[in-house]
Amino acid sequence: EPEVTQTPSHQVTQMGQEVILRCVPISNHLYFYWYRQILGQKVEFLVSFYNNEISEKSEIFDDQFSVERPDGSNFTLKIRSTKLEDSAMYFCASRGTTLYSNQPQHFGDGTRLSIL
Amino acid sequence: SQQGEEDPQALSIQEGENATMNCSYKTSINNLQWYRQNSGRGLVHLILIRSNEREKHSGRLRVTLDTSKKSSSLLITASRAADTASYFCAKNSGGSNYKLTFGKGTLLTVNP
Repeated sequence: EPEVTQTPSHQVTQMGQEVILRCVPISNHLYFYWYRQILGQKVEFLVSFYNNEISEKSEIFDDQFSVERPDGSNFTLKIRSTKLEDSAMYFCASRGTTLYSNQPQHFGDGTRLSIL
Repeated sequence: SQQGEEDPQALSIQEGENATMNCSYKTSINNLQWYRQNSGRGLVHLILIRSNEREKHSGRLRVTLDTSKKSSSLLITASRAADTASYFCAKNSGGSNYKLTFGKGTLLTVNP
């Protein structure tokens, strides 16, 4: 069964450094998402991406964050200057081979980001 | 406002027993989805129930939806130790991007 893959599984970065989290969504999906989960807290929506542009972003997704789909298969999340509070598990998800709304999102196993 | 809030926060049962987890939400939904998360792992999709559906089954899982009460429940029958995980409901309110709003989850422990 096709799945969403994320790399790396764990990323340790110094505060202030840039980090790029990578995702390969399911190949024929149309909608792509990033969520994060701070330890012990809810999974929170960050951003959705459709038709090569951001369709919605949350308050968390400030100017330090950006997303790209550079080559038609990868979907990346970049944090330009990391802060301690960016430490979390970051999940990529994809959904939808059509515009039909009642389709589930499929999640990757996540990247655990630790900011020192 | 709180969306997709589950209760109980933690549930401990014996193998073979049934486990029921509940989820409440505040605003209208397009669909509601249940996910499982094993410790430190990703979210695995279990069941999607549309707003015009009342009940859905998948193997040992049964999900109900009561839109008048804005609540849903997930029942796992004949539980197994491997069912030990956190279970989340996630609300999809439709719109143009179908983002999910998650609750805090229920940590289910099934004791052998």
